[in-house]
Amino acid sequence: KAGVTQTPRYLIKTRGQQVTLSCSPISGHRSVSWYQQTPGQGLQFLFEYFSETQRNKGNFPGRFSGRQFSNSRSEMNVSTLELGDSALYLCASSSGQGARATDTQYFGPGTRLTVL
Amino acid sequence: SQKIEQNSEALNIQEGKTATLTCNYTNYSPAYLQWYRQDPGRGPVFLLLIRENEKEKRKERLKVTFDTTLKQSLFHITASQPADSATYLCALVKRAGNNRKLIWGLGTSLAVNP
Repeated sequence: KAGVTQTPRYLIKTRGQQVTLSCSPISGHRSVSWYQQTPGQGLQFLFEYFSETQRNKGNFPGRFSGRQFSNSRSEMNVSTLELGDSALYLCASSSGQGARATDTQYFGPGTRLTVL
Repeated sequence: SQKIEQNSEALNIQEGKTATLTCNYTNYSPAYLQWYRQDPGRGPVFLLLIRENEKEKRKERLKVTFDTTLKQSLFHITASQPADSATYLCALVKRAGNNRKLIWGLGTSLAVNP
């Protein structure tokens, strides 16, 4: 099976702009989670989508939003970019089915966002 | 508040030795715990999972233990190799009904010297 893919891999934006990142999960996976990773904060959970519904949400401001499509592909959007938004944004998919699911996360390569 | 702690300082060991990484948690009763490996600039890769009712899990040169009394998991790499150099992350999964939440540690950097 093909792994999780993320586009673009690298992005440079300026403060105040907005950005949309895309994630295609492993075929058959219905759960997609997004994370922000910075050297000082580690992996910070943004949100999780399952079957087009947001299932969990982390403690990020409303400028961070996401959605999931019927084919399980997901996008996240950051509006009014700030310098502190510079980070590696990781998408992870899991099968996420039923109470016995182990939530093993299969990560994509990430999108490196730099805000100038 | 729920908290996970991993060795904050980098671990440097000699090739061939056993590396032991620690994951401690507080105020938490996880359903299970996962260990991941992350190389610079790349996403984490799943290594092992251990459930709350399991004491130990092995996979090739890797071994994970889980002590729910001590609220601690240990991750061992035996016969370490320079290629094992990476950051290792632990993640606990909390189950609340049909909802599940992963809580991540900050990771421990391991350097295996030839």
